[in-house]
Amino acid sequence: DTGVSQDPRHKITKRGQNVTFRCDPISEHNRLYWYRQTLGQGPEFLTYFQNEAQLEKSRLLSDRFSAERPKGSFSTLEIQRTEQGDSAMYLCASSLAGRRATNEKLFFGSGTQLSVL
Amino acid sequence: KNEVEQSPQNLTAQEGEFITINCSYSVGISALHWLQQHPGGGIVSLFMLSSGKKKHGRLIATINIQEKHSSLHITASHPRDSAVYICAVRVGNEKLTFGTGTRLTIIP
Repeated sequence: DTGVSQDPRHKITKRGQNVTFRCDPISEHNRLYWYRQTLGQGPEFLTYFQNEAQLEKSRLLSDRFSAERPKGSFSTLEIQRTEQGDSAMYLCASSLAGRRATNEKLFFGSGTQLSVL
Repeated sequence: KNEVEQSPQNLTAQEGEFITINCSYSVGISALHWLQQHPGGGIVSLFMLSSGKKKHGRLIATINIQEKHSSLHITASHPRDSAVYICAVRVGNEKLTFGTGTRLTIIP
């Protein structure tokens, strides 16, 4: 296993179009996170899954955003009717979380850079 | 709301210098992470600590829980250390909250 992989690496789209990103976590990891990062800022939490269950969703995530992890393995993040403000790096991370989340170590993918024209 | 503040925002130093990057946070935490982000987005976890000090090669991370402060030190800095260094904290079992990062440039 080579780590967390994300596809595509770059996506350019026109405003109003729908886009979908994919994240393949490290195979035995039960948690999967989506973050968004804009230039000069740290990553902002969007949502996360424990296995196939979506446990938390940020208030930053409007109704245009939806994420799934149907079989508890890979995940997809879809943005409908994209806006220019959606332009950012979308990062995926996975972890093997035990009972104590304080010991949880995240492994990040290289991200998908979205540009909305 | 837990805020994470990093300083400096940008740091340029000569190769070989001793580097210190600081992180302050506002509420009690269960763990603090230091991460390294290279151009292109890849993020690597450097340290995870909840007390004391950890060392890995030329990197040292310390945390003072009472003062709500952590530092990342790099000894004998090298141009390949040039990256963005991000501090992130966890409150209880909640998700990580990230700082905005410190952009480090080491000049040969």
